[in-house]
Amino acid sequence: EVQLLESGGGLVQPGGSLRLSCAASGFAFSSSAMNWVRQAPGKGLEWVSAISGSGGSTFYADSVKGRFTISRDTSKNTLYLQMNSLRAEDTAMYYCAKDPRSGGYDSRGYYGYFDYWGQGTLVTVSS
Amino acid sequence: DIVMTQSPDSLAVSLGERATINCRSSQSVLYSSNNKNYLAWYQQKPGQPPKLLFYWASTRESGVPDRFSGSGSGTDFTLTISRLQAEDVAVYYCQQYYATPGTFGQGTRVEIK
Repeated sequence: EVQLLESGGGLVQPGGSLRLSCAASGFAFSSSAMNWVRQAPGKGLEWVSAISGSGGSTFYADSVKGRFTISRDTSKNTLYLQMNSLRAEDTAMYYCAKDPRSGGYDSRGYYGYFDYWGQGTLVTVSS
Repeated sequence: DIVMTQSPDSLAVSLGERATINCRSSQSVLYSSNNKNYLAWYQQKPGQPPKLLFYWASTRESGVPDRFSGSGSGTDFTLTISRLQAEDVAVYYCQQYYATPGTFGQGTRVEIK
C-alpha cells in the first residue's frame, strides 16, 4: 500500500524558513517523480515543485522559484521541501504527491499528474 | 500558463441523478504525436487530499466506480457522474499536464439536492 506522510509544517513569521518532509512507502521511491502541491485555505490546488526519480532534475512554479528547494533522499525514501523567505501568500496545506511515471519531464519542464497524495501538512506564515 | 476554467462552480443534484462538470483549457492539451489529451480529474472530499479519478482525459484510475466517466478532447472536457451517490459529495478539479506548469481548474462543488 502506497503511503505518503508529510511533516514539518507550522507557524512561521514572514521571512522565515521551514523544511517539509514526506516519508514514502509501498512503492519504488526512486522510480517515481515526486511533487509538492499546495492549497491555500478554502482555495484551489497549485502545483509547487517536482523532482525526478533520480533527483537530477527539479522544477518549480514561478511563485516559489529562488525561495524553495526540493530534494529527495532515496536511502530514506523521503522527499523534502526547503522553504525560505516565506510570505503570507505561502500559507497553505502542502501535499506530497506521487507521479505514476518515471518520466513526464524534459528540458522545458515537468508534465505530470498525481496518483497518490499524502494527508498534507499545514504551513501558516503570519506575524 | 494554460488557464483551466470549470463550470459550474457548484451544482446540486438529486441522489441517483446525473451530474455533469465541464472543464475548458485556454489552449489545446491534445498532443498530436501520441493523440493523447493531457488532462486529469481529481475528487477532493472535505478534510481529505485529492484523489485521482481519470488521466489522459478518459482513463479511469483503478478502483474508481464506473458511474464516473471522463470525456472530451482538445480544449473541452467533461466529468460525468451518471447516478449520484451520497459519497460523491466533493469538490472536483481538472488539471492539465500538457504544458509546464501544470494547472488546475478552480474546482466544482457537488452537493445533494
